[in-house]
Amino acid sequence: EVQVVESGGGLVQPGGSLRLSCVASGFTLSEHWMNWVRQAPGKGLEWVANINEDGSESSSAASVRGRITISRDNAKNSVYLHMNSLTAEDTAIYYCGRIIAAYEPSEYWGQGTLVTVSS
Amino acid sequence: EVVLTQSPATLSVSPGERATLSCRTSQSVSSRLTWYQHKPGQAPRLLIYEVSTRAPGIPARISGSGSGTDFTLTISSLEPEDFAVYYCQHWATFGPGTKVEIK
Repeated sequence: EVQVVESGGGLVQPGGSLRLSCVASGFTLSEHWMNWVRQAPGKGLEWVANINEDGSESSSAASVRGRITISRDNAKNSVYLHMNSLTAEDTAIYYCGRIIAAYEPSEYWGQGTLVTVSS
Repeated sequence: EVVLTQSPATLSVSPGERATLSCRTSQSVSSRLTWYQHKPGQAPRLLIYEVSTRAPGIPARISGSGSGTDFTLTISSLEPEDFAVYYCQHWATFGPGTKVEIK
């Protein structure tokens, strides 16, 4: 069974950092692009970043570029979201998803991990 | 950047009725239009990709259509589990969503 499980969310102060993890099982991670999307409280879905199969290519949304980066470690079946200089606008549930290629639809998503940026 | 507009923002429908959701794009997106269903506390669920192809396990009462800049998601007869928020997506952009609520 294909599964992705996010973790690492929590309460962080403005200006702080956090690393989210996404652990994949039931499929070969190294054969798939992966992405992150988020949903802020009361808002819709927002695409955050994606990364190709071996980590050599990635993209991120303008709203997070320079502060939030995506990486992966296929040997650990994991994808990461490195979040720095966090602001209240980054408060959201972050979802990890498997995609066929960059910006393609994602059939498999995790349940999400909540990041709260507050003092 | 393509802008996606969804209407209505909220759709009040009774179980068993038909729901028609609209997604308009600011420029032609060819066949690259996807629909998701999202419920609070749950993972997004892929419904439709490439305008009209149902994802595995999606019932036939849910269908997608359209071309160019105008797209439609239709639920022919609403079941209780269909009450949720629906998003269209193209590339890195999601629409603002349509909430389908029980009338």
